[in-house]
Amino acid sequence: DVQMTQSPSSLSASVGDRVTITCRASQGISSYLAWFQQKPGKAPKSLIYAASSLQSGVPSKFSGSGSGTDFTLTISSLQPEDFATYYCQQYNSYPWTFGQGTKVEIK
Amino acid sequence: EVQLVESGGDLVQPGGSLRLSCAASGFTFSTYTMNWVRQAPGKGLEWISYISAGSSTLKYADSVKGRFTISRDNAKNSLYLQMSSLRAEDTAVYYCARGQCSGGTCYPDYWGQGTLVTVSS
Repeated sequence: DVQMTQSPSSLSASVGDRVTITCRASQGISSYLAWFQQKPGKAPKSLIYAASSLQSGVPSKFSGSGSGTDFTLTISSLQPEDFATYYCQQYNSYPWTFGQGTKVEIK
Repeated sequence: EVQLVESGGDLVQPGGSLRLSCAASGFTFSTYTMNWVRQAPGKGLEWISYISAGSSTLKYADSVKGRFTISRDNAKNSLYLQMSSLRAEDTAVYYCARGQCSGGTCYPDYWGQGTLVTVSS
């Protein structure tokens, strides 16, 4: 199975900050990587697929990059509604595997 | 609007069985692959099962293989997960997720709100 490792596990940031989250795969997954946002008690919401493609309806402040084993999610200007937990997920092969999550908290 | 609504979650004793359902609407259900993903309390996401559009291909995580069975009824726009020999570690919120496929790979683009399964005596 492909292991996905996110860093950091949590971070504190202020409104307006630029935030970057990193995801590393244990083996190459091409660009078959997705990012999700999850708020407490809610289902995950798709943000990015194919490493850098924005899901329909997702604001352009979210962006993704990377290929192979190293990927990043960037939020250009953090807003109050962006405080949540973010997960990466590889879909190069089954079983789908997810990173452990990065909790973005208010500083 | 794509909607996925899970139901069937409950409190069940260890060794017991439960059947989860996921009602789909707002898209042509019969043309999409579907998945179940779970999340234990306070933990991350774990994929557990996949079914192709026509039910010809089924996949399971090792953690549930031989105990859980995924199925679908395209005429009823519904996805199911039959769970048996339940263990305490199966306690989780169970999500159904639609697979958006391209070039032979699929990622989950829409998720239901989840249904809670609690395994405890």
